[in-house]
Amino acid sequence: NAGVTQTPKFRVLKTGQSMTLLCAQDMNHEYMYWYRQDPGMGLRLIHYSVGEGTTAKGEVPDGYNVSRLKKQNFLLGLESAAPSQTSVYFCASRRQGYNEQFFGPGTRLTVL
Amino acid sequence: EDQVTQSPEALRLQEGESSSLNCSYTVSGLRGLFWYRQDPGKGPEFLFTLYSAGEEKEKERLKATLTKKESFLHITAPKPEDSATYLCAVENTGNQFYFGTGTSLTVIP
Repeated sequence: NAGVTQTPKFRVLKTGQSMTLLCAQDMNHEYMYWYRQDPGMGLRLIHYSVGEGTTAKGEVPDGYNVSRLKKQNFLLGLESAAPSQTSVYFCASRRQGYNEQFFGPGTRLTVL
Repeated sequence: EDQVTQSPEALRLQEGESSSLNCSYTVSGLRGLFWYRQDPGKGPEFLFTLYSAGEEKEKERLKATLTKKESFLHITAPKPEDSATYLCAVENTGNQFYFGTGTSLTVIP
């Protein structure tokens, strides 16, 4: 069991470029989440999904899009990156009916 | 507005010196309050879930308690390996999670 994996681990973008972050989980969890973590701000929920084909907005969704075409994968897209999106991004998954969120190792994104 | 505030921001303890971390929260409808541990460069690791005032959970040297407005994470006789950032979070009835900024704990041998 790999748990929750995130690809890539590091990325540097220029303003206006686009990219997709991939989150994969092998635990057959229904729920998946994308967070960003910034110094002094804590973890903030960007988008989440309660099942394949469904997504919903979190606290800070602007500038991001997500897709959950397969149950095991949750993609986070940045269509036109901005320096304000420089952050560490964490993905998490959770089994329906259980409380524990399992987090991935994070992706450190820098937008120049 | 739902929010979580943790204090202190940082805490340095001698090995064996017990203390408590505070998490105060406001939430429209509490589904659960969570404590996580985060080591540098890693994702958070789940510790506890508390659902209602008066509830307590224990794990090794850690004990979490919950009131209607606060949660405390008590650390008894900490060891250097307990050094980490401890995060508190709430889930509201709308499936939204809100995290605090964490308490960075350093335990000195």
